[in-house]
Amino acid sequence: EAGVTQFPSHSVIEKGQTVTLRCDPISGHDNLYWYRRVMGKEIKFLLHFVKESKQDESGMPNNRFLAERTGGTYSTLKVQPAELEDSGVYFCASSRQPSGDTQYFGPGTRLTVL
Amino acid sequence: GESVGLHLPTLSVQEGDNSIINCAYSNSASDYFIWYKQESGKGPQFIIDIRSNMDKRQGQRVTVLLNKTVKHLSLQIAATQPGDSAVYFCAENPWDYKLSFGAGTTVTVRA
Repeated sequence: EAGVTQFPSHSVIEKGQTVTLRCDPISGHDNLYWYRRVMGKEIKFLLHFVKESKQDESGMPNNRFLAERTGGTYSTLKVQPAELEDSGVYFCASSRQPSGDTQYFGPGTRLTVL
Repeated sequence: GESVGLHLPTLSVQEGDNSIINCAYSNSASDYFIWYKQESGKGPQFIIDIRSNMDKRQGQRVTVLLNKTVKHLSLQIAATQPGDSAVYFCAENPWDYKLSFGAGTTVTVRA
């Protein structure tokens, strides 16, 4: 079974530019999550999809972040315009059940905003 | 707010010794706990989990202990190997789906 994949692995952009991160969950996993780890801090929840629907986006920092999951398969997370404080590692995870089930993580996308 | 935290940010262990990584949590509503291992350049990898109706669970070379009275979680690694060097995160999953992570403990195995 293929794991969660993320693209790109690294992205370096300038402040004000736009970046789109992609996540492909494990096949059959309806639940998809985005998390972020800012340098030196703990991994923080951003949002949760159940199939194509946003179940909870309470962790999204602000309206510069837009997540989509059209068709309920892969998901994208767009940052527009990017700011310096957006730098960090963005993780995607997926699970079969939404609660009390193992969330499997992708390798992450390291975003650096200069 | 309530959060999950780890007692020590770093742990240095002699190869072959046992490792104990500790974690304190404060959300009494949490009923599911997970330990993840993160190696350099990779995402968190599931190690072992435990539900609140248990106080101990064993895996291959790993044991997780849960003490609900003092809200404490620990991960024991037997016969620590160089490949065990990584950052270890405990995470709690209360009644909802959000994982709440601690800051992580960096384990370094000395040869």
